[in-house]
Amino acid sequence: DAMVIQNPRYQVTQFGKPVTLSCSQTLNHNVMYWYQQKSSQAPKLLFHYYDKDFNNEADTPDNFQSRRPNTSFCFLDIRSPGLGDAAMYLCATSRKGLAGAEGETQYFGPGTRLLVL
Amino acid sequence: QKEVEQNSGPLSVPEGAIASLNCTYSDRGSQSFFWYRQYSGKSPELIMSIYSNGDKEDGRFTAQLNKASQYVSLLIRDSQPSDSATYLCAALSGGYNKLIFGAGTRLAVHP
Repeated sequence: DAMVIQNPRYQVTQFGKPVTLSCSQTLNHNVMYWYQQKSSQAPKLLFHYYDKDFNNEADTPDNFQSRRPNTSFCFLDIRSPGLGDAAMYLCATSRKGLAGAEGETQYFGPGTRLLVL
Repeated sequence: QKEVEQNSGPLSVPEGAIASLNCTYSDRGSQSFFWYRQYSGKSPELIMSIYSNGDKEDGRFTAQLNKASQYVSLLIRDSQPSDSATYLCAALSGGYNKLIFGAGTRLAVHP
């Protein structure tokens, strides 16, 4: 089945130790997104790629970086995690350019829960 | 600041009843709206999308959109305990499929 996959599902890191979260998709979607979601809050968009075009949200901290080496993969790098970065990190994809609503729908992966000690 | 507002709940309904979830949005330019269901500790799962004024039905779910009032709702008929989750309303804004999410309404369906 076509899907969005995130690894690992759970990640424990130490304060200040760099960590990388990964996302892959078999949907052949051209847009990939990274969201941060804290408990009882709305998902917060960090950045997204439209093909290779990187779009950073204005309020995304510099501590967060992203890479998209090819259509299928996207990585979230947290250079120096702080306690406030503990959250669920969600990857999503969409197929921009399709006619009608299908091109606007975002599909989420299962998420990676990050714990910072 | 573009916003999507939802009552956080919890909304408690008995099994078999109709659950009504509501959402308002501030961006008049939004044309597409989505309801996602999110179980505790899981990622959001798409339930419904709606783009035109009026009602859209899919099984036990009905989405309603009123662009003049900037209001979106989701009705769940014959509510089941398995429907207990947080329901996120989202509006599509901007040219890059940017979704603006509400904080969600927690629904509790009790037997």
